[in-house]
Amino acid sequence: GAVVSQHPSRVICKSGTSVKIECRSLDFQATTMFWYRQFPKQSLMLMATSNEGSKATYEQGVEKDKFLINHASLTLSTLTVTSAHPEDSSFYICSAGVSTDTQYFGPGTRLTVL
Amino acid sequence: GEDVEQSLFLSVREGDSSVINCTYTDSSSTYLYWYKQEPGAGLQLLTYIFSNMDMKQDQRLTVLLNKKDKHLSLRIADTQTGDSAIYFCAEAKGSGNTGKLIFGQGTTLQVKP
Repeated sequence: GAVVSQHPSRVICKSGTSVKIECRSLDFQATTMFWYRQFPKQSLMLMATSNEGSKATYEQGVEKDKFLINHASLTLSTLTVTSAHPEDSSFYICSAGVSTDTQYFGPGTRLTVL
Repeated sequence: GEDVEQSLFLSVREGDSSVINCTYTDSSSTYLYWYKQEPGAGLQLLTYIFSNMDMKQDQRLTVLLNKKDKHLSLRIADTQTGDSAIYFCAEAKGSGNTGKLIFGQGTTLQVKP
């Protein structure tokens, strides 16, 4: 149990386009989902926390208009990178859980912006 | 400085024990975690320890917590080549839906045959 999926696993896009990444909790309902970003050989940096039905809480330095997060249901959260640029290329990982005490991580999405 | 710190690299021989160390700064953290990340993959929760515990053992894994020194360690007994990965420690800040995990930089464990 406690499986979290992400789609797509890998995406390459042109600069200026928008990319949507989905995060799903497959066998449980997640009241909270977290979005992280990981640069090569670095740690995970929390971007935002989203609770179902309410606006996401963004970490300092993360542009909310650039990284749009929607958490419309208890099993699905989406991250849209708008007007992507090469510096947005990264590994994006979501996690889902009832609380921080129990977070289950997705397999990650590799975004490459050309 | 960083909230959570780890050494970046550890190399051991197959069959030896591995000890990965971590220091954290927030004494109010309730849970501390160890995650494993294999290349190109997400994070796998290995184990966690509640802050009022000193030690937790789970098969080959032993977690030691020194709350006074804010030091956490993960010992892997009889290390195998399949244990080669990056290991992250993380502390939980806050609780419930307002909480978040703060990760260390990750320790790359290399297991030589």
